[in-house]
Amino acid sequence: AQTVTQSQPEMSVQEAETVTLSCTYDTSESDYYLFWYKQPPSRQMILVIRQEAYKQQNATENRFSVNFQKAAKSFSLKISDSQLGDAAMYFCAYRGGYNAGNMLTFGGGTRLMVKP
Amino acid sequence: GAVVSQHPSRVICKSGTSVKIECRSLDFQATTMFWYRQFPKQSLMLMATSNEGSKATYEQGVEKDKFLINHASLTLSTLTVTSAHPEDSSFYICSAPRPTGGHGEQYFGPGTRLTVT
Repeated sequence: AQTVTQSQPEMSVQEAETVTLSCTYDTSESDYYLFWYKQPPSRQMILVIRQEAYKQQNATENRFSVNFQKAAKSFSLKISDSQLGDAAMYFCAYRGGYNAGNMLTFGGGTRLMVKP
Repeated sequence: GAVVSQHPSRVICKSGTSVKIECRSLDFQATTMFWYRQFPKQSLMLMATSNEGSKATYEQGVEKDKFLINHASLTLSTLTVTSAHPEDSSFYICSAPRPTGGHGEQYFGPGTRLTVT
């Protein structure tokens, strides 16, 4: 079974600074997808960024980027120019390939605090 | 864009009663939906996969007779917590896979907070 590990229960960053959240996963599959979801206090899950394993290029979405290291099974999220609205729980998630169904496996989460 | 709704957003029920939570996909059809449970300050734990027109698939350790799932149409899945007890109090979230081209992305409902007294 796939497992997703987020080793940082809490992180803190100063507003306008950069922070990196860590995620590692374990899988025997070669084709899969990785995601970072944000869960603000409203508890609505919001997709932050997505990475397909077959793509070597790291995904970026505005201030959010990932460092995808397939061999190391590492998928970290970098948030640049942190804003107060970035404060939330962040979950790393894994989804298997086409034949694996659509279910997601989540990491334990990292609570990000942004200091003004 | 596509949205998933849940109803109710909050519910309080007495121990021993049953409560139904609805999950609807708006503007798109979902043959599969997922039900998660989230305890305070913890991650989402998959409870079951809801399949339209067939039985739900439950994760190990989830009591199928306690958490009844019905996927009656391509836009509606329901989770019924039967004979609820205080330990069933939690935050329940449903999701549906984004239609074609979504690369595995899921749309999440806003969640339902269940409190059993």
